Amino acid sequence: DIQMTQSPSSLSASVGDRVTITCRASQSISTYLNWYQQKPGKAPRLLIYAASSLQSGVPSRFSGSGSGTDFTLTISSLLPEDFATYYCQQSYSPLTWTFGQGTKVEIK
Amino acid sequence: QVQLQESGPGLVKPSETLSLTCTVSGGSIRSYYWSWIRQPAGKGLEWIGRMHSTGSTNYNPSLKSRLTLSVDTSKNHFSLKLSSVTAADTAVYYCARDQGSGNFDYWGQGTLVTVSS
Repeated sequence: DIQMTQSPSSLSASVGDRVTITCRASQSISTYLNWYQQKPGKAPRLLIYAASSLQSGVPSRFSGSGSGTDFTLTISSLLPEDFATYYCQQSYSPLTWTFGQGTKVEIK
Repeated sequence: QVQLQESGPGLVKPSETLSLTCTVSGGSIRSYYWSWIRQPAGKGLEWIGRMHSTGSTNYNPSLKSRLTLSVDTSKNHFSLKLSSVTAADTAVYYCARDQGSGNFDYWGQGTLVTVSS
């Protein structure tokens, strides 16, 4: 299996802050990397696909970058509705897709 | 607007079979891959498997021996059966649409399945 490791596991930030979350794959996955946002009791929401493509309807303050093994999700200016848990997911191998362990973004 | 809705028993006894159905509305089930994903309470996401409307499937190797996915295009729904369940299979189960290349753009609300006697 391809292992996905996110850092940090949690972070505290204030409204207006720039936030960066990283995701590292255990082997190269090209740009087959997706990012999701999940709020408590809700299903995940696709934010970014193919490492850097913004999903339709997602605000432009969210952006993604990277290729190979190292990827980042950036929120340019944090809003109150952005406090949530974020997951990366690799879709390189059709035999087993795997998610990172999640990064919880909390209010400072 | 595509909507997905999971349905099935919320409680399953150990060693029995967990069965769930995902009904798709607002769009056709044809021409897409559809996945099941689960999440134990307070934990991360695990991809279970996927199937295409043509019947093609991919299973997570860790679950493959216990897993069966099927599709009924006439009813616009797809189903999951997981046999010989244990407490480790207790989780919220989601169905989701693969919009292409393994990313999930539409999700069901999730259904909690508890394995307990």
